[in-house]
Amino acid sequence: NAGVTQTPKFQVLKTGQSMTLQCAQDMNHNSMYWYRQDPGMGLRLIYYSASEGTTDKGEVPNGYNVSRLNKREFSLRLESAAPSQTSVYFCASSEARQGIVYTFGSGTRLTVV
Amino acid sequence: AQSVTQLGSHVSVSEGALVLLRCNYSSSVPPYLFWYVQYPNQGLQLLLKYTSAATLVKGINGFEAEFKKSETSFHLTKPSAHMSDAAEYFCAVSEEGYSTLTFGKGTMLLVSP
Repeated sequence: NAGVTQTPKFQVLKTGQSMTLQCAQDMNHNSMYWYRQDPGMGLRLIYYSASEGTTDKGEVPNGYNVSRLNKREFSLRLESAAPSQTSVYFCASSEARQGIVYTFGSGTRLTVV
Repeated sequence: AQSVTQLGSHVSVSEGALVLLRCNYSSSVPPYLFWYVQYPNQGLQLLLKYTSAATLVKGINGFEAEFKKSETSFHLTKPSAHMSDAAEYFCAVSEEGYSTLTFGKGTMLLVSP
């Protein structure tokens, strides 16, 4: 099925460990996004990539890095995980125009202990 | 800066009752507005969107929303709730010239028999 694929679906990390969350889309979308979802906070934008080769910070970028590997793939890296990064992470993609609908992945549930 | 306020983190209704989920936005220019739904352990799906074509927008599953510029509101309604409507609902805004979405904190809809 066409859409956005995130891996892994679940992950437990120890404080200080690093990991990369993977995201791939097969809809030929130009723009990709990483959000985190926390109870009572809604979704907050971490980083986005308006087009291949560009990345920009969102509302909560501290502690994260991203790579737009190619048009299909957009990864999120935690260099030194902290308990405050325990969250559900969603990747999304869209056309690079205003008012365009996002397609979301099913999420990665990350716990940092 | 754009922002979205959803009044009520939880709304409880009986099956067959009217559903009303409130959303107010803050934007310096006419925005694009969206309602997304999230079922348990899933990503977000688009319910409907407003892009200035019509103030009353019809979405999937019998939901609709009305854009009221004078009240800066975009409330979501459904005449008769079903048990399957139980989910978390997010209002989101995008300003002209931007592809990023700003989400509200979400409203959990609980439907009782």
